[in-house]
Amino acid sequence: SQQGEEDPQALSIQEGENATMNCSYKTSINNLQWYRQNSGRGLVHLILIRSNEREKHSGRLRVTLDTSKKSSSLLITASRAADTASYFCATDFNTDKLIFGTGTRLQVFP
Amino acid sequence: DAGVIQSPRHEVTEMGQEVTLRCKPISGHNSLFWYRQTMMRGLELLIYFNNNVPIDDSGMPEDRFSAKMPNASFSTLKIQPSEPRDSAVYFCASSHPLAGGPINYNEQFFGPGTRLTVL
Repeated sequence: SQQGEEDPQALSIQEGENATMNCSYKTSINNLQWYRQNSGRGLVHLILIRSNEREKHSGRLRVTLDTSKKSSSLLITASRAADTASYFCATDFNTDKLIFGTGTRLQVFP
Repeated sequence: DAGVIQSPRHEVTEMGQEVTLRCKPISGHNSLFWYRQTMMRGLELLIYFNNNVPIDDSGMPEDRFSAKMPNASFSTLKIQPSEPRDSAVYFCASSHPLAGGPINYNEQFFGPGTRLTVL
């Protein structure tokens, strides 16, 4: 069974707007990662945040982690049509194994 | 680097036939993962290897599924006999520990996937 649940399941916005996706998980973690999947493609790693970190930035991406609430959020600022994809969170705990969430489908309209 | 290579990209077969999916990980990566993705169940980890040794196969659905990694540059996932409910996209991913980091501090690199249809 999957550990991560993502919210919303689908999100539609206009170019230039910000997109926020949330991920909740159930057990302890060492790290939480976010991946993007374009239609018909494999997943691509975006960013990793460790359990002792609260916020991380990479370009237009901002990730927050709240271990007390077992949740994370991914913010994409100034979205572009090319950001249209599904976004997944993934967690690990003391192994190489990643448990992926259910994903958020993001549609950015030009 | 060419990235993770999977073959075939598409496979259509009839129920009862044997299916073999192939994966070549990125050179130097020592962990390899097989996933299955469907609309209903999302992305599921089937099995993963570390240094060619199977570490966790708890996600393998049943005995019809088997996976091997005879060397560091090649892995196979076999389904025998195949059933219509096995229809899915199967991904292979590889990773390596970041220098100086713990073994689980790493990102996974995914292949393009094999879309399997069992009629």
